[in-house]
Amino acid sequence: DTGVSQNPRHKITKRGQNVTFRCDPISEHNRLYWYRQTLGQGPEFLTYFQNEAQLEKSRLLSDRFSAERPKGSFSTLEIQRTEQGDSAMYLCASSMDSNHYEQYFGPGTRLTVT
Amino acid sequence: AQSVAQPEDQVNVAEGNPLTVKCTYSVSGNPYLFWYVQYPNRGLQFLLKYITGDNLVKGSYGFEAEFNKSQTSFHLKKPSALVSDSALYFCAVRDGGSQGNLIFGKGTKLSVKP
Repeated sequence: DTGVSQNPRHKITKRGQNVTFRCDPISEHNRLYWYRQTLGQGPEFLTYFQNEAQLEKSRLLSDRFSAERPKGSFSTLEIQRTEQGDSAMYLCASSMDSNHYEQYFGPGTRLTVT
Repeated sequence: AQSVAQPEDQVNVAEGNPLTVKCTYSVSGNPYLFWYVQYPNRGLQFLLKYITGDNLVKGSYGFEAEFNKSQTSFHLKKPSALVSDSALYFCAVRDGGSQGNLIFGKGTKLSVKP
């Protein structure tokens, strides 16, 4: 399967712990996006990479959040000192290098902070 | 600021009847518009997009959408609904001049009854 993959699919952690999620985009896509989705809402943009460069970050991305995309391939999203409000589905998407192109989404990582 | 409104939280349709899921948008530049569908425990799936050209665009699974610039709308339609169309539908917009992240509506739950 050559779709976007995300790991883990589910993560339960205690408040204050650090968590890291991984996203593997479609191989020929050089744009990669992270979104967060809470119950009853549409996905909200967090950050965006073009190749290895992080080009845009949402105000939602507090200083506890950091994302990387080394070598322009897979990406990681780390949340430090998790809070209960971080509980959400974290979605990764990738696309070709133009605003004309649709984004393809992975299945998401569901984070529960207890 | 960019925004998307999906005025209906839920749409109920009988199988075989036509369906419409409404979407209106606001962007400062040229709108790039997208529809996605989300099935339970699965990622967002791309249905169709409007970038430029013909106002009526056709997509996957028999869905189509009509771009109306004067009404700033991009309603999703299907001539004959199937029970299997029951899912959560999201409209999204991107300002053509922006970096590329999508702004999503809150979603509309489509329920098709036999």
